[in-house]
Amino acid sequence: EPEVTQTPSHQVTQMGQEVILRCVPISNHLYFYWYRQILGQKVEFLVSFYNNEISEKSEIFDDQFSVERPDGSNFTLKIRSTKLEDSAMYFCASSEWENEQFFGPGTRLTVL
Amino acid sequence: RKEVEQDPGPFNVPEGATVAFNCTYSNSASQSFFWYRQDCRKEPKLLMSVYSSGNEDGRFTAQLNRASQYISLLIRDSKLSDSATYLCVVNNNQGGKLIFGQGTELSVKP
Repeated sequence: EPEVTQTPSHQVTQMGQEVILRCVPISNHLYFYWYRQILGQKVEFLVSFYNNEISEKSEIFDDQFSVERPDGSNFTLKIRSTKLEDSAMYFCASSEWENEQFFGPGTRLTVL
Repeated sequence: RKEVEQDPGPFNVPEGATVAFNCTYSNSASQSFFWYRQDCRKEPKLLMSVYSSGNEDGRFTAQLNRASQYISLLIRDSKLSDSATYLCVVNNNQGGKLIFGQGTELSVKP
């Protein structure tokens, strides 16, 4: 069964450093998403991406965040200058059409 | 009012029990509704979409009441493997963001 994959599974970084989280969505899917979940809190939407552009973003997704689909398979989330409060689990998701979204296993980001 | 509100739980039930989760949502224009399950420190996994007519998948039954802005999930004959957090999820526009509830924790005991 096709699945969303994410790398790395765990990323530790120093405050102020840049990080890039990588995702490979399901191959025939057209819509891509990033969500995050701070420990003990609910899952929160960050951004959606379709046809090589951002279609929607949340207030969390400020100028420090960016997304890119550098090739036909990868979808990346970049955080330019990490803050302590960026520590969270980051989930990538994809959907075939505007319907059910399937999530990757997540990247646990720890900012020290 | 929270966008998606769920029973906080935890629900502790014996194997074989029937358990029901409730969820309310605030935006009457919401278009799509889902139940996901999340195991500890894992990704949300789609359990089922919820349709106005109600739908069933094995031991799981989901109901939607648009007038009351209320969604439910019923699990019959609970198994140990059903232990997880159940997330009520709403999509307010096609293709857009999913809005998650806080989740209800279920623990099924032998």
